[in-house]
Amino acid sequence: AQSVAQPEDQVNVAEGNPLTVKCTYSVSGNPYLFWYVQYPNRGLQFLLKYITGDNLVKGSYGFEAEFNKSQTSFHLKKPSALVSDSALYFCAVRVRGATNKLIFGTGTLLAVQP
Amino acid sequence: NAGVTQTPKFQVLKTGQSMTLQCAQDMNHEYMSWYRQDPGMGLRLIHYSVGAGITDQGEVPNGYNVSRSTTEDFPLRLLSAAPSQTSVYFCASSYLGTELDTQYFGPGTRLTVL
Repeated sequence: AQSVAQPEDQVNVAEGNPLTVKCTYSVSGNPYLFWYVQYPNRGLQFLLKYITGDNLVKGSYGFEAEFNKSQTSFHLKKPSALVSDSALYFCAVRVRGATNKLIFGTGTLLAVQP
Repeated sequence: NAGVTQTPKFQVLKTGQSMTLQCAQDMNHEYMSWYRQDPGMGLRLIHYSVGAGITDQGEVPNGYNVSRSTTEDFPLRLLSAAPSQTSVYFCASSYLGTELDTQYFGPGTRLTVL
């Protein structure tokens, strides 16, 4: 079965420190990979996606993610966290050749302390 | 562009009542979908559509109906609400295709079934 795992329910980091939110996937074939962010009482906002090419993808608000095919991972990173980055982050995957259906992880709550 | 809009923002129903959650997009997207978000479970796909007149079931379709009479609108109907349908519902839309398939989400409808 195809799935996405976000192993950490919550990640705590101090402002100014680097952050990593982990995501691993299990799909048949080559995937498209996405990160979305959800602020309190809001819809999901697109951050970045990997389709093909360079394994390091840069997205909105200074976030980036690294695709690692051998480890089937797509971890989200930021060099210096801001308090305003505190939100719920979702990793999602779509199988190439399939309709646009996304499979989401369970989400990771990022808490950045001042 | 208004993007993806959803109404209502909040709704309380009694068990057995019916209602329709509205979703509209003004980006001429072919693909539209409905998700429900429950704590610890991420987002799960209810129904989706790849164009006017075409709908299909997602991961959790039971208890929900959809139709797609126009490109812009994709309403979700609950025929007989149950407490298990208490959730936050998100509509999303995107172009079909590989490079352009980033899904954009509405602000959500928070539904409580008593």
